Amino acid sequence: DTAVSQTPKYLVTQMGNDKSIKCEQNLGHDTMYWYKQDSKKFLKIMFSYNNKELIINETVPNRFSPKSPDKAHLNLHINSLELGDSAVYFCASSRRSYNEQFFGPGTRLTVL
Amino acid sequence: DAKTTQPPSMDCAEGRAANLPCNHSTISGNEYVYWYRQIHSQGPQYIIHGLKNNETNEMASLIITEDRKSSTLILPHATLRDTAVYYCIVEDVAGKLIFGQGTTLQVKP
Repeated sequence: DTAVSQTPKYLVTQMGNDKSIKCEQNLGHDTMYWYKQDSKKFLKIMFSYNNKELIINETVPNRFSPKSPDKAHLNLHINSLELGDSAVYFCASSRRSYNEQFFGPGTRLTVL
Repeated sequence: DAKTTQPPSMDCAEGRAANLPCNHSTISGNEYVYWYRQIHSQGPQYIIHGLKNNETNEMASLIITEDRKSSTLILPHATLRDTAVYYCIVEDVAGKLIFGQGTTLQVKP
């Protein structure tokens, strides 16, 4: 059973489009995260939710909006996609206030 | 910014121990040291963490110096599947993990 899953695995789209990436964890964790890994391989945290409440919101354009319908899901919606949004996006989860994080397989987003 | 410094790359012979160093001279007394690795194209994988004492699990051992300013991750018998980027991380004041550039470990046959 996959602990942290993401869909889709690959996403190719045109500039200006709106897209969503979904994340689900079946570990019973309270906290979920979104990270972005750019072409230089730097991995940066974007958002963190704990029990559906936003607790970390890094300096990310407001075109990015996370949504947590329940504590097992954290989706990432991106409006008006730009070339610079091309990256691999990783979802992760952990028990509350505990930094042993479990990462998903990533979603490679390519904006043309 | 990451609070840790690691060599950009290291090689290790298959079957030998891989010792990956990390400097974290500004670490505070209650901050943990975490190690993750990222195998090509996969999501990062948690390896181990520690505060003061040395730690060991099924994957690796973590040796933390007495002054806590540096640590070493030890993979006792490296295999080709251990080839990856290894990240040494000290959580920031908000409890976030700040990933640096890491050490690219190449295990060679």
